[in-house]
Amino acid sequence: EVQLVESGGGLVKPGGSLRLSCAASGFNFSAYSMNWVRQAPGKGLEWVSSMSSSSSGSRSYIYYADSVKGRFTISRDNARMSLFLQLNSLRAEDTAVYYCARDTYHGGRIFDYWGQGSLVAVSS
Amino acid sequence: DIQMTQSPSSLSASIGDTVTITCRASQNIISYLNWYRQKPGKAPELLIYAASSLQIGLPSRFSGRGSGTDFTFTITHLLPEDFATYYCQQSYSTVVTFGGGTKVQIK
Repeated sequence: EVQLVESGGGLVKPGGSLRLSCAASGFNFSAYSMNWVRQAPGKGLEWVSSMSSSSSGSRSYIYYADSVKGRFTISRDNARMSLFLQLNSLRAEDTAVYYCARDTYHGGRIFDYWGQGSLVAVSS
Repeated sequence: DIQMTQSPSSLSASIGDTVTITCRASQNIISYLNWYRQKPGKAPELLIYAASSLQIGLPSRFSGRGSGTDFTFTITHLLPEDFATYYCQQSYSTVVTFGGGTKVQIK
């Protein structure tokens, strides 16, 4: 069974940092591109970042939404079957539930499995 | 960035009804359009990908159609678990964008 479990969320002050983790199980993690999507309280879905299955090679990629570019960093450890999101210079508007989501096998930024989410609250 | 406009933003329907949601892209996205359902307090769930392909294991009462800039998503024979919020998403661009959502409520 495919499972994605996020952790690392919490309350942080504006300007602070946090590192989210997503532990994957039940599939060959190293073969799949992965993504982060967030949802502010009572709002819709907002894509945050995507990363290809491998961090090297001609087909590798990392993409960010403009709203987080330069402040957030996506990374992965295929040996540990984990995806990460480093959140720096946090702002109130970054308050959201952050979901880890898997791409379909053929890629294409179609999110076929999602974690339960991790809440990040930015407030003084 | 490609803007995705969903309509309506909410609708009321009864169990057994058929409902249709529309999604319009600000530019041609061919068929790179996906639909998700999000039940309250839960993560989204993929229903339709590539505009009209039903995600494996899901019932055929969910369907999608369209290409270019205009897309529709239809649920026939509404069940209690279908009262949720639905989102379209374009995966044509490197910058993925979602529609604003359509909340389907019980009449």
